[in-house]
Amino acid sequence: AQSVSQHNHHVILSEAASLELGCNYSYGGTVNLFWYVQYPGQHLQLLLKYFSGDPLVKGIKGFEAEFIKSKFSFNLRKPSVQWSDTAEYFCAVKNSGGYQKVTFGTGTKLQVIP
Amino acid sequence: NAGVTQTPKFQVLKTGQSMTLQCAQDMNHNSMYWYRQDPGMGLRLIYYSASEGTTDKGEVPNGYNVSRLNKREFSLRLESAAPSQTSVYFCASSEPSAGGTGELFFGEGSRLTVL
Repeated sequence: AQSVSQHNHHVILSEAASLELGCNYSYGGTVNLFWYVQYPGQHLQLLLKYFSGDPLVKGIKGFEAEFIKSKFSFNLRKPSVQWSDTAEYFCAVKNSGGYQKVTFGTGTKLQVIP
Repeated sequence: NAGVTQTPKFQVLKTGQSMTLQCAQDMNHNSMYWYRQDPGMGLRLIYYSASEGTTDKGEVPNGYNVSRLNKREFSLRLESAAPSQTSVYFCASSEPSAGGTGELFFGEGSRLTVL
């Protein structure tokens, strides 16, 4: 069974600080990887995704993530966070064949202090 | 373009009551999902439907039933609500990875409280 681990549950940063959120997954086959963001009071929306090719993926709002297959990791990064990045971030894995089942991590709450 | 529409947005039930959460998508997606979101537990998959006519259990199916009424609609039913089912429920849809982005599109969520 596939699973996702997010190591940081709550992160507090000052504006302009750099961000890295960890994500590790467990699945034996080929996967597609995603980061979703949930702003306060809103539903989840896609931040970025990895399907194949370049393991460094760039998403919206200056976010990027690197897929390291040997480490089963897909960490999210941003060089300089803004107050508007305050949100909850979810890593997700999807098996690329079969039933298209998507599994989410437990989420990381990011609080950016002005 | 409505995307994924869920109803109701808020509901309060008493223990033992039943209710159905409705979900419809207008993106012609094959796959649909029901998740519940609880503090500190992220999103947990209740049921999913890879295509019209099929449904499968996710991580936490107990106490729930689903119906994939047609390609657009995927409903979630609580037959006898329990306080442990107090949660925010999200419906989502997607296309398969092959030939599609695989991205999940979420509804606005339904906040359910069971007293």
